[in-house]
Parts: sequence; C-alpha cells; structure tokens
Amino acid sequence: AQKITQTQPGMFVQEKEAVTLDCTYDTSDPSYGLFWYKQPSSGEMIFLIYQGSYDQQNATEGRYSLNFQKARKSANLVISASQLGDSAMYFCAMRVYSSASKIIFGSGTRLSIRP
Amino acid sequence: SAVISQKPSRDICQRGTSLTIQCQVDSQVTMMFWYRQQPGQSLTLIATANQGSEATYESGFVIDKFPISRPNLTFSTLTVSNLSPEDSSIYLCSVPGGQGSYNEQFFGPGTRLTVL
Repeated sequence: AQKITQTQPGMFVQEKEAVTLDCTYDTSDPSYGLFWYKQPSSGEMIFLIYQGSYDQQNATEGRYSLNFQKARKSANLVISASQLGDSAMYFCAMRVYSSASKIIFGSGTRLSIRP
Repeated sequence: SAVISQKPSRDICQRGTSLTIQCQVDSQVTMMFWYRQQPGQSLTLIATANQGSEATYESGFVIDKFPISRPNLTFSTLTVSNLSPEDSSIYLCSVPGGQGSYNEQFFGPGTRLTVL
C-alpha cells in the first residue's frame, strides 16, 4: 500500500530564514512522482514542485527545492528566504503510475512565518 | 496549466437533500479526480472519472452516495446524496497537466459545503 507521512503538524520560522518541511513516502512501485502543494487560508491548492522517481537531479522552482533521497524514501521541501506570504498549509503528495495515476496526500504541515 | 472552475463555490444544504457540484476544465482531459477535504484535514480521493466509463471509487466511497457523471472530456459532476452534517467539507476536482503530463496536477477552487 502507498502512504505519505508528514510528521510536522506545525512549524514556526523567522522571516528570511530557510525552512525544510519533511515528507516520507512508502511504495513498492518503481515508477512514481512526488508533489508539494501550498494551501493558503483561501483554500486553493497551489502546485509548487514535482519530482519523478527516475529524475537524477533534485527539482527546483524558484525559492522551492525538493530534497529527494530515494534510498530513504524522503522528499523534503526546502523554502529558501521565507516570506510572510509563505504562511500556509503544505501538503506532500505521491502519484503511483501503476495505481491508476491517482494522487494521495499526506496530512500536511502548517507553516507560520514570523516577521 | 489547466484552468478549472467549479460551481457552486459554496452552499448550505439541509440534511437529507443532495448537492450536485460541477467541474469545468478549459482543455480536454482523460482523467478527472474528485477529492474531499474535511475541516482541518488533508485531501482524500473520492473517485476517478474517465470519460465514457464508470467512475472508479476509493475504499469508503460508494456510487449511491457520490454519483459522478462524465459526459465529455472537459466536464464532470459530483453529487453528494442524502446529506448529513458529516458531509460538510470542501469538494475539489482535479486534473493532470496538459497533454497528458502527469508531472503536474491542478485543482479547482473547491466547493465548500455546509450541511445543517
């Protein structure tokens, strides 16, 4: 069975600091993809970054990077130079391609940025 | 990226009634996904809707309670039937990225349902 685990229910970070949000996953399928989403208080789901299981390099998108450690089955999100607007819920998710390509989500981490 | 709209954006319904949620995508997509987000919780997949075939439901979700239609490649509806307060949630439709790209997944703005 596939599973996504986010062990940090909430985090507080000082503005301009870097922050790492943890995510571990479990699947026996060799072909999968990992996603991170941001959900601000408005409720929309904002796609941030994607990492494929066969990708050799860690994904980066602006201030977001994904620290992909395949052997450890972890896919941590790193946000550099945090901003007040980064305060939101963050969800890690996984798509297993042999499983009808559906996406399953972790429980989320609420990130709060202090000025 | 896909542009997804949902109607209604929110609704308040009485116990025992039904609500039908519409999802419209600005491009043709093979697969559409319906999710539920209960208050303070993560997203849970309800079902996968493919055009021209019956929806595939996840464990714990049944067609009688959550009937889905998928009449074409840009549109789907989810009905939440026989409403109870436990159905109060945000319901979101979701599609993969353009041209069958599965390294992206986009979500509609959600329908916030409150059942009294």
